[in-house]
Amino acid sequence: GENVEQHPSTLSVQEGDSAVIKCTYSDSASNYFPWYKQELGKRPQLIIDIRSNVGEKKDQRIAVTLNKTAKHFSLHITETQPEDSAVYFCAASIRGSNFGNEKLTFGTGTRLTIIP
Amino acid sequence: DTAVSQTPKYLVTQMGNDKSIKCEQNLGHDTMYWYKQDSKKFLKIMFSYNNKELIINETVPNRFSPKSPDKAHLNLHINSLELGDSAVYFCASSRGAGHFYGYTFGSGTRLTVV
Repeated sequence: GENVEQHPSTLSVQEGDSAVIKCTYSDSASNYFPWYKQELGKRPQLIIDIRSNVGEKKDQRIAVTLNKTAKHFSLHITETQPEDSAVYFCAASIRGSNFGNEKLTFGTGTRLTIIP
Repeated sequence: DTAVSQTPKYLVTQMGNDKSIKCEQNLGHDTMYWYKQDSKKFLKIMFSYNNKELIINETVPNRFSPKSPDKAHLNLHINSLELGDSAVYFCASSRGAGHFYGYTFGSGTRLTVV
């Protein structure tokens, strides 16, 4: 099955600096890579995603890059703000058949702390 | 209206008891999931249902039994609760059948077994 590794497990950056979180996946058939943000005591929420036919995607201060050959993808957050402090999860999924058997395999999470 | 709602939000119970967690989604999604998040925040899939049919059943003890009365509801019943069952349980839903855009999660149920 799919295995997703995520690094680092904790990351502290000064407010205004950039943060980068990296993930690798094992199954070359994986084709959908979302990132989730989980604030303390809350549910994980999708912040950005990328499909395997795209190399990069940007949404304001966040961007995701995908290297299919190396089987890794990264989350980039620029101009970090205190509200960016949270646990971030990467995930990978293989598009399923018509039987709805898609599932996400999650990385182990990165606790990002923004230092004011 | 909350898209994916779970009840209860908190559950404290003694070892050996039986408890249920309920989940409902109003997004019209075809697929629903149960995930367990342990104390280290790791999210691990337990089950998935597509249109009331069990699709994914990971290596979960038989004490855990999901039930989907219709595609908008997925419940989780746990028998003979153990200390190691303490975790946050998240329900999630997604559009299925090749239109996968990730999950919408419920707010979670924090289960504490004492």
